[in-house]
Amino acid sequence: AQSVAQPEDQVNVAEGNPLTVKCTYSVSGNPYLFWYVQYPNRGLQFLLKYITGDNLVKGSYGFEAEFNKSQTSFHLKKPSALVSDSALYFCAVRDMNYGGSQGNLIFGKGTKLSVKP
Amino acid sequence: SAVISQKPSRDICQRGTSLTIQCQVDSQVTMMFWYRQQPGQSLTLIATANQGSEATYESGFVIDKFPISRPNLTFSTLTVSNMSPEDSSIYLCRAGGSYNEQFFGPGTRLTVL
Repeated sequence: AQSVAQPEDQVNVAEGNPLTVKCTYSVSGNPYLFWYVQYPNRGLQFLLKYITGDNLVKGSYGFEAEFNKSQTSFHLKKPSALVSDSALYFCAVRDMNYGGSQGNLIFGKGTKLSVKP
Repeated sequence: SAVISQKPSRDICQRGTSLTIQCQVDSQVTMMFWYRQQPGQSLTLIATANQGSEATYESGFVIDKFPISRPNLTFSTLTVSNMSPEDSSIYLCRAGGSYNEQFFGPGTRLTVL
């Protein structure tokens, strides 16, 4: 079965320190992987995606993620955290049951990132 | 990038009533998706709406409870019918031309008393 796992419910980081939000996935075939951020009382905002190409993907707001096929992981990283990065982060993978170039995304349960001054 | 708006942004409703949520996209898209995000939970797909055809519902969701309209390529509505407190959630629409373009609306926060 296809799935996305975010093993940490919450990640606490001091401002200025590097942050990592973990994500592992289980799908058949080549995965399409995504990270979204949700600020309080807001919808989801797209951060970055991996479809093909370089394993290190750079996205919005200084975030990046590294696709690791052998470990089936797609961890989100940022070299220096900001208080304003505090939000809920969702990892997602393309639902392989949908054909073509459009379709459903399967989401992880989310990780709350808290950055303290 | 597509801009997606939803109405209403939030509502408080009484048990047994219905609420229709609107999703408007500023460009034409083939597929639109409706998700539910229950408190403290991840997103769950309710249904997929293609213009000109009946919506396709995921397991656990039925048309009588969540009727969907898709009258054109830029607009869709989701109705939450005969509401109960368990329907209190954030409802989000998503649209995009392909996996390279995935955008969500800001969500509708529904509270059912």
